[in-house]
Amino acid sequence: DTGVSQDPRHKITKRGQNVTFRCDPISEHNRLYWYRQTLGQGPEFLTYFQNEAQLEKSRLLSDRFSAERPKGSFSTLEIQRTEQGDSAMYLCASSKRGGAEAFFGQGTRLTVV
Amino acid sequence: DQQVKQNSPSLSVQEGRISILNCDYTNSMFDYFLWYKKYPAEGPTFLISISSIKDKNEDGRFTVFLNKSAKHLSLHIVPSQPGDSAVYFCAASARSGGSNYKLTFGKGTLLTVNP
Repeated sequence: DTGVSQDPRHKITKRGQNVTFRCDPISEHNRLYWYRQTLGQGPEFLTYFQNEAQLEKSRLLSDRFSAERPKGSFSTLEIQRTEQGDSAMYLCASSKRGGAEAFFGQGTRLTVV
Repeated sequence: DQQVKQNSPSLSVQEGRISILNCDYTNSMFDYFLWYKKYPAEGPTFLISISSIKDKNEDGRFTVFLNKSAKHLSLHIVPSQPGDSAVYFCAASARSGGSNYKLTFGKGTLLTVNP
């Protein structure tokens, strides 16, 4: 399978705990994105990497959120001190340089209880 | 501030008929538009796109029409099949503005194709 891979698919955590998600993009894609989708909404942009450089962060990404893409390959998204409002589907996508067509992974469903 | 609007939360059509999904946008900087299809518990799947220099793009049963003056686009599916039942998202980006990496999505339209 050469698509975008996300792990885990589901995560249930207690409020206040830290969680980390992983994304493996399509191998020849140098652009990687994180989006968040809540019930009844479309995906909302969180952050964007070109290779290992994080070039933009949405105002939705509070200081409890941090994303990394070491070596320009896989990426991790960490949420510290989770809150119930963080419950959502977290989607990772990748694209080729200059391509607007982003290809999404299956997402990580986070539930904060 | 909803820059991409899909005003119909749901649409139901009969198998074999045409499905028309609509999308409006407000940001004049948007110049590239995409449609994604999403099944429950899965990520969005890219369907078709169109640049603002065109008014139509076709790929098999899927055709996207763009009316720049009205800031409106539509996705036509002909003929509709039960497997097309999913949520369809319209998305837009501002390529010439240097932010072609970022997609702005509508809220989606749930299409149900009845056998």
